[in-house]
Amino acid sequence: SQTIHQWPATLVQPVGSPLSLECTVEGTSNPNLYWYRQAAGRGLQLLFYSVGIGQISSEVPQNLSASRPQDRQFILSSKKLLLSDSGFYLCAWSTTSGGGNEQFFGPGTRLTVL
Amino acid sequence: QKEVEQDPGPLSVPEGAIVSLNCTYSNSAFQYFMWYRQYSRKGPELLMYTYSSGNKEDGRFTAQVDKSSKYISLFIRDSQPSDSATYLCALNAGGYQKVTFGIGTKLQVIP
Repeated sequence: SQTIHQWPATLVQPVGSPLSLECTVEGTSNPNLYWYRQAAGRGLQLLFYSVGIGQISSEVPQNLSASRPQDRQFILSSKKLLLSDSGFYLCAWSTTSGGGNEQFFGPGTRLTVL
Repeated sequence: QKEVEQDPGPLSVPEGAIVSLNCTYSNSAFQYFMWYRQYSRKGPELLMYTYSSGNKEDGRFTAQVDKSSKYISLFIRDSQPSDSATYLCALNAGGYQKVTFGIGTKLQVIP
């Protein structure tokens, strides 16, 4: 069966510090991968998605970036965090076989920028 | 007009009640309809998946889609305190199209 991991689970960072969040998927090959941010009362905001190694599409211009160095690894980064980057970050995967593109989410990382 | 509208609640019901959660949408291209359950401080988990119009039942949960009205529902029978969570609807036009999520309805089942 497929499993998705995210770490760290929680993170408290000062403004201006760098960020690296990691997501890995097990039990599937060539998944589509996604980064979402969920802020209170604002729903899920798609940040980045990737259909393959090195292929990243950005949905929202911001000071975040994403990379996919391996087939089942997805990384979210920032060089300098802003207060507005606080939120709950979720990684998700889906298969590339069409259908409804149903996505399966990881446990999330709660980021607080002070 | 937003693509998907969902009442954020909170919705409080007594244990054992039938719960109805709903979303309306504007894009007639949506063909796949999903419901996710999200417990506090956890990632969403896929609960129900439906293609096109009709009903789908899974235990105490029933998903209903009315494409003519652009209205989808999730019914929970014999609700339990463990059903207390936020429920998000999610819609997709098919294939590799982006999934559009509702804001989520927070449900509290009172023992």
